[in-house]
Amino acid sequence: KQEVTQIPAALSVPEGENLVLNCSFTDSAIYNLQWFRQDPGKGLTSLLLIQSSQREQTSGRLNASLDKSSGRSTLYIAASQPGDSATYLCAVRRVDTGRRALTFGSGTRLQVQP
Amino acid sequence: EAGVAQSPRYKIIEKRQSVAFWCNPISGHATLYWYQQILGQGPKLLIQFQNNGVVDDSQLPKDRFSAERLKGVDSTLKIQPAKLEDSAVYLCASSLGSYWEVAGNTIYFGEGSWLTVV
Repeated sequence: KQEVTQIPAALSVPEGENLVLNCSFTDSAIYNLQWFRQDPGKGLTSLLLIQSSQREQTSGRLNASLDKSSGRSTLYIAASQPGDSATYLCAVRRVDTGRRALTFGSGTRLQVQP
Repeated sequence: EAGVAQSPRYKIIEKRQSVAFWCNPISGHATLYWYQQILGQGPKLLIQFQNNGVVDDSQLPKDRFSAERLKGVDSTLKIQPAKLEDSAVYLCASSLGSYWEVAGNTIYFGEGSWLTVV
């Protein structure tokens, strides 16, 4: 059974700081890994998707890396801003036959102080 | 492009009562998911539809939860009777299809239906 763990559970940083969020998964047989953002009272918004054959993806100030063999991914946020405050969730897509839904971690709640 | 629509946004019911949630996915999306998100946890899949067929309902508590997607478009999720531990956000999501998700197309989430069972 795939388990996804995110550390830390919560993080508070001053504006402008670079930060790293961590995600680990127990089964390396995945199609891809995705990072989402969830604002309070809202649904999830996809940030970055990394295919299992890729090592990293970048979008603006966000960079996500994937090390499938060790079961780890990191989300790097450069020059953090108060608008980055949200919960960040990682999710992996399993390679079970007929079952390709996402398995989520519990998220990291980020607060960026102005 | 309209997003995934869900209703109602908020619902408070007493335990043992019933409740139904509705979801209208993005037009043309073949795959529809219902996820349950308990406060402080990540979303957990309840059921996955491909058009109007069920792909995965292994984590759906079938003694009290049911879901349908009769015409392959919108979907309803019902809970009867509700328990206190069903208090959660119920998220609907859709995509072009699981094949396309594997290839890198994203999945879109609605804003969720918040259920409180008292």
